[in-house]
Amino acid sequence: DIQMTQSPSSLSASVGDRVTITCWASQRIGTYVSWYQQRPGKAPKSLIYDASSLQSGVPSRFSGSGSGTDFTLTISSLQAEDFATYYCQQSHSSPLTFGGGTKVEIK
Amino acid sequence: EVQLVESGGGLGQPGGSLRLSCAASGFTFSSHWMHWVRQAPGKGLAWVSRINSDENIITYADSVKGRFTISRDNAKNTLYLQMDSLRAEDTAVYYCVRGPRYSFDYWGLGTLVTVSS
Repeated sequence: DIQMTQSPSSLSASVGDRVTITCWASQRIGTYVSWYQQRPGKAPKSLIYDASSLQSGVPSRFSGSGSGTDFTLTISSLQAEDFATYYCQQSHSSPLTFGGGTKVEIK
Repeated sequence: EVQLVESGGGLGQPGGSLRLSCAASGFTFSSHWMHWVRQAPGKGLAWVSRINSDENIITYADSVKGRFTISRDNAKNTLYLQMDSLRAEDTAVYYCVRGPRYSFDYWGLGTLVTVSS
């Protein structure tokens, strides 16, 4: 199985900050990574697929990059509604696996 | 608008069974892969199972293989998860999720399954 490791597990940031979350895969997976946002008490929401493609309706302050084993989710200017937990997921092969999550909290 | 509405959650006994349903609307259900993803209380996301549009490709996480069965009724736009031999560690919110094959684009609101005597 492909293991996905996220860092950090949590971070504190202020509105307007640039935030970067990293995800590593246990083997090379091309650009087969997706990112999801989960606000407290809510269902997850899809943000990015194929490492860098934004889902329809996702604000352009979100971006993704990477290939091989190293991937990054960046929020260019953090907004109040972005305080949530973010998960990466490998979409290379079954079983589908997620990272452990990164909780973005208000500083 | 894509909508996925889960039902059938609740309290299940250890060793018992529950059947989850997911009513889909707002898209051509019969053309899409569908998945179940779960989240134990206070924990992260875990993929459970997936099924393709024709029901001829079905896969499961090792943790539920042999106990859970995914199925779909394309005429009724409904996805199912039959959960047998329930264990305490199956306690989670279960999400119905639209695919593609290896990832997820639209999520339902989830239904809570609690396994306890």
